[in-house]
Amino acid sequence: GAGVSQTPSNKVTEKGKYVELRCDPISGHTALYWYRQSLGQGPEFLIYFQGTGAADDSGLPNDRFFAVRPEGSVSTLKIQRTERGDSAVYLCASSRTEYTEAFFGQGTRLTVV
Amino acid sequence: AQSVTQPDIHITVSEGASLELRCNYSYGATPYLFWYVQSPGQGLQLLLKYFSGDTLVQGIKGFEAEFKRSQSSFNLRKPSVHWSDAAEYFCAVDVAAGNKLTFGGGTRVLVKP
Repeated sequence: GAGVSQTPSNKVTEKGKYVELRCDPISGHTALYWYRQSLGQGPEFLIYFQGTGAADDSGLPNDRFFAVRPEGSVSTLKIQRTERGDSAVYLCASSRTEYTEAFFGQGTRLTVV
Repeated sequence: AQSVTQPDIHITVSEGASLELRCNYSYGATPYLFWYVQSPGQGLQLLLKYFSGDTLVQGIKGFEAEFKRSQSSFNLRKPSVHWSDAAEYFCAVDVAAGNKLTFGGGTRVLVKP
């Protein structure tokens, strides 16, 4: 497919566990974004990559959250010691450049029980 | 910091009727303005955006939006709603023409036959 792919689509984990969420951007897109959408709210910015580097991680809520993009394509959002408040839909988006339209994936629904 | 308010959480409209969704932003200058639509099972899709120039912006799916600086508003309109327009709509702003977006809380649109 030509769109942004996120896996898994759903993830249920126990409180305190570690999770990884994966994002495959559109081929050739250098910019990649992670957002978090809690129930009944709009998406909130977490982090933005330009190539391999995190250009802006100001939205990460605390040091339990970390994201990588080692080869400038696939990105992984990592959450340590998950808490029930981390339950949300995690959205990934990519764009050809940071100034062109961002295309969103369908998200990963994370539920922490 | 910028913020976005969508005053209407839910709107119900009859098929064929007109639709207007309100969006107000708070920012010291004119931000870059966006409207996205989120349908069930689908990712966020960009409807239209305003960067500068003509304050009436045309988008996809027959939508348009008007930027009013004096009211700090960017309302979305459609003259005649189709059942397929039932979805959640998000207004968003960015201060640097990129994709680090600040979203409003969204307006859910229900379409009556």
